Amino acid sequence: EADIYQTPRYLVIGTGKKITLECSQTMGHDKMYWYQQDPGMELHLIHYSYGVNSTEKGDLSSESTVSRIRTEHFPLTLESARPSHTSQYLCASSGTGTDTQYFGPGTRLTVL
Amino acid sequence: TQLLEQSPQFLSIQEGENLTVYCNSSSVFSSLQWYRQEPGEGPVLLVTVVTGGEVKKLKRLTFQFGDARKDSSLHITAAQPGDTGLYLCAGAGRGSARQLTFGSGTQLTVLP
Repeated sequence: EADIYQTPRYLVIGTGKKITLECSQTMGHDKMYWYQQDPGMELHLIHYSYGVNSTEKGDLSSESTVSRIRTEHFPLTLESARPSHTSQYLCASSGTGTDTQYFGPGTRLTVL
Repeated sequence: TQLLEQSPQFLSIQEGENLTVYCNSSSVFSSLQWYRQEPGEGPVLLVTVVTGGEVKKLKRLTFQFGDARKDSSLHITAAQPGDTGLYLCAGAGRGSARQLTFGSGTQLTVLP
C-alpha cells in the first residue's frame, strides 16, 4: 500500500483567500504530480515534478503554483481562490523506472 | 496529445453478471494501468500491463493489453456490489516524459 498523504481532506473557503494544499510521500519517489478532477470525471494533470527544485506545468492550465524543496513534499498553492477552483485535487507519486503512480486520498476544495 | 477513450461511460448491472470495459487509443503506450476509484478517494492501482498481448488476472478481474499496445480491456466475472466504482485506464507515453494520460472513466454500479 502506498504511503502518500494529503491534507486537508476537505476545505471550504471564501473567494479571495490564499490556500495551500499539502502532499507528502514517504516512499522516496522522485516524481510527483497534481491532478484536478471533477466528480466522476477524468483526471487532468496540472503540475508535475521530477525531482527537487524541478516543477513543470501540466496539460490543464491552472492558476495554482507548486514547489518542490524536499523530495517528500509537494505543496500546491492558490494565491486567490475563486469559485471556478472548486474541484477535487489529487496528488500522486511515482518511483524511478516505473510509470505506475500512487495516489493520495485527495482534497475536496469548495470555494464560495 | 494522446487520447484515451473509455467505453461505456456508465454501466449498471445486476450482481452476478459479467461485464467488459474498453480503453482505446490511436497512440501506442509503453504501459497501461487500470485504477479503481471510490467517491471522495484517490484512484487505487489495480494492475499495470506492459507487453503487447499481455493478459493479467486479479481474482475475478481479467486485464488485456492489445497486441499493438494501443488498447486494453477489463473484464469482470460475476460482478459483486463491492466492485462498484469509477474505473480509469491510464496510458504511459513513450520517451523520457512518461506522463500518464487518463481515460474518461467508466462508472460501474453493481446492484444487489
